Amino acid sequence: NAGVTQTPKFQVLKTGQSMTLQCAQDMNHEYMSWYRQDPGMGLRLIHYSVGAGITDQGEVPNGYNVSRSTTEDFPLRLLSAAPSQTSVYFCASRRSGTANTEAFFGQGTRLTVV
Amino acid sequence: RKEVEQDPGPFNVPEGATVAFNCTYSNSASQSFFWYRQDCRKEPKLLMSVYSSGNEDGRFTAQLNRASQYISLLIRDSKLSDSATYLCVDYKLSFGAGTTVTVRA
Repeated sequence: NAGVTQTPKFQVLKTGQSMTLQCAQDMNHEYMSWYRQDPGMGLRLIHYSVGAGITDQGEVPNGYNVSRSTTEDFPLRLLSAAPSQTSVYFCASRRSGTANTEAFFGQGTRLTVV
Repeated sequence: RKEVEQDPGPFNVPEGATVAFNCTYSNSASQSFFWYRQDCRKEPKLLMSVYSSGNEDGRFTAQLNRASQYISLLIRDSKLSDSATYLCVDYKLSFGAGTTVTVRA
């Protein structure tokens, strides 16, 4: 089972460049989300989606856009990369409808902005 | 105030020891929680869920204290392979900053 697949695994960007981090899941999960993790900090929610066509902001949304055109895919776009966006990014998915369901994570994208 | 807060540790314990740490939460309406394990900033993986009063899985015991709004994780007979960061997560997938545990030989 593929689960949650993130690409790329590593990326170096120059300040001001834009890029899209890809996330796909094959479990038919309604809920998907993006987190960033910085040293000494837990995962902070960037954006999330409760289903196709529905997205909402999390704790740290500035500088990022998302869309959810299909159930499977939830790409994260960096509009104009800044060094402060250097981080490890995780995509997660879970079933909706109950609060007791496990979230599954992708392997992460390690992004460096120089 | 963060919705979920953890003692960051680190906890450095010898093999075979028992280690326990807590996580406090601010939303009194939260009904369920999770403990995730994360190795070397790889993806978090579910260790166990915590509903009602608690849960036990082998050497791991998680308890939920609603009156004082905290969740605990206890690891008995620690193994070297238990070295990791343990993340406390509420039902909305709000994460604590993690507690680092290192088990030494």
